[in-house]
Amino acid sequence: AQKITQTQPGMFVQEKEAVTLDCTYDTSDPSYGLFWYKQPSSGEMIFLIYQGSYDQQNATEGRYSLNFQKARKSANLVISASQLGDSAMYFCAMREGVIQGAQKLVFGQGTRLTINP
Amino acid sequence: KAGVTQTPRYLIKTRGQQVTLSCSPISGHRSVSWYQQTPGQGLQFLFEYFSETQRNKGNFPGRFSGRQFSNSRSEMNVSTLELGDSALYLCASSLASEAFFGQGTRLTVV
Repeated sequence: AQKITQTQPGMFVQEKEAVTLDCTYDTSDPSYGLFWYKQPSSGEMIFLIYQGSYDQQNATEGRYSLNFQKARKSANLVISASQLGDSAMYFCAMREGVIQGAQKLVFGQGTRLTINP
Repeated sequence: KAGVTQTPRYLIKTRGQQVTLSCSPISGHRSVSWYQQTPGQGLQFLFEYFSETQRNKGNFPGRFSGRQFSNSRSEMNVSTLELGDSALYLCASSLASEAFFGQGTRLTVV
């Protein structure tokens, strides 16, 4: 069964520093996708970044990058130059298979990130 | 381009009642999936619809049901509400690899 583990319940970081949020996953399917979402206190899940299991390059989206280490089954999120508005819960999620548009995601427990001024 | 829209945003119901939540996906997206988020269980997959057909189902009792219409809008229904059904219900729409969520419906059962 697929599983996502986020080992950091909470993190505190100084503004403008880079931060790495850890995520490890477990799956026996060679085809899968990995996601990171940000959830502010309002509750909305904001899509940050996606990495497919066959993608050769690490995904990047602005200040967000995904450090994908397939052999170690890890998909850490790196946020560069953190901002106060980055304070939120962050979830790592995985989807097995590559059926077009199929979305059955398994989520980790989340990491609460707090950016200090 | 409009995002995923969920209505209503907030809902208070009494035990034993039933409730219907609505999700309008991003235009052109045919897949809609639903999730329940609670402090104790985290985010759990409920079901997924694609072109009006349920494609996947999570491990929830039969009181939880859903459907999708020809315009890809989806509804989920919970019958005979229990206190434990209090949660944030999120839906996501997808066209290809990525999945975009709505703002959620916060359901409180009293």
